Amino acid sequence: QFVLTQSPSASASLGASVKLTCTLSSGHSGYAIAWHQHHPEKGPRFLMMVNGDGSYTKGDGIPDRFSASRSGAEHYLTISSLQSEDEADYHCQTWADGFHWVFGGGTRLTVL
Amino acid sequence: EVQLVESGGGLVQPGGSLRLSCVGSGFTFSSYAMSWVRQAPGRGLEWVSAIGGRGGDIYYPDSVKGRFTITRDNSKNTVYLQMNSLRVEDTAVYFCGTERWFGGLLTLDYWGQGTLVTVSS
Repeated sequence: QFVLTQSPSASASLGASVKLTCTLSSGHSGYAIAWHQHHPEKGPRFLMMVNGDGSYTKGDGIPDRFSASRSGAEHYLTISSLQSEDEADYHCQTWADGFHWVFGGGTRLTVL
Repeated sequence: EVQLVESGGGLVQPGGSLRLSCVGSGFTFSSYAMSWVRQAPGRGLEWVSAIGGRGGDIYYPDSVKGRFTITRDNSKNTVYLQMNSLRVEDTAVYFCGTERWFGGLLTLDYWGQGTLVTVSS
């Protein structure tokens, strides 16, 4: 079974940095993923896709404060210089033949 | 500017039907495969259907197969989701999105704002 695991919540202070994690299930560590930001009452926004080698491609207008990396089965989304508007849910997602679309459970980020 | 606007959500009784619409603008609609994704209250995102740019290549997860039907009318820049035999567990906000391939990864690079479907007696 192909599963993406995210912590349900995270928090960090205004102006600080935060690193959110998305863990791929055993046997799937090399897959590329995408990160999406979702403010409640609005539609999700594509942030970036991250290749298996950790390189990434951002969506339109995504600030430089957002970056990505990976280590083994773990993918990371780092947000630096946190702003109040970064408070949102962050979802990781992948796609695999036979499994089609796989989403993580999402992490709710609180900016303190 | 790419825009996707969903409509058609509402309150429906279990066993009932509903048709959602998603109108796209700001891009060549027929060139893009489209997907519907939903989020139930307190839950994560769940993909529910996809359709190719010309209306072929249709896919569903097992959870909705046989009950939901995705279609599109490129002359109206609109993709539809016909939902029949609705269940309480179909209650969710439904989003449409434009599909994009990045190498071996398929994702949605633009999303609508969503439309709420509530299935309740």
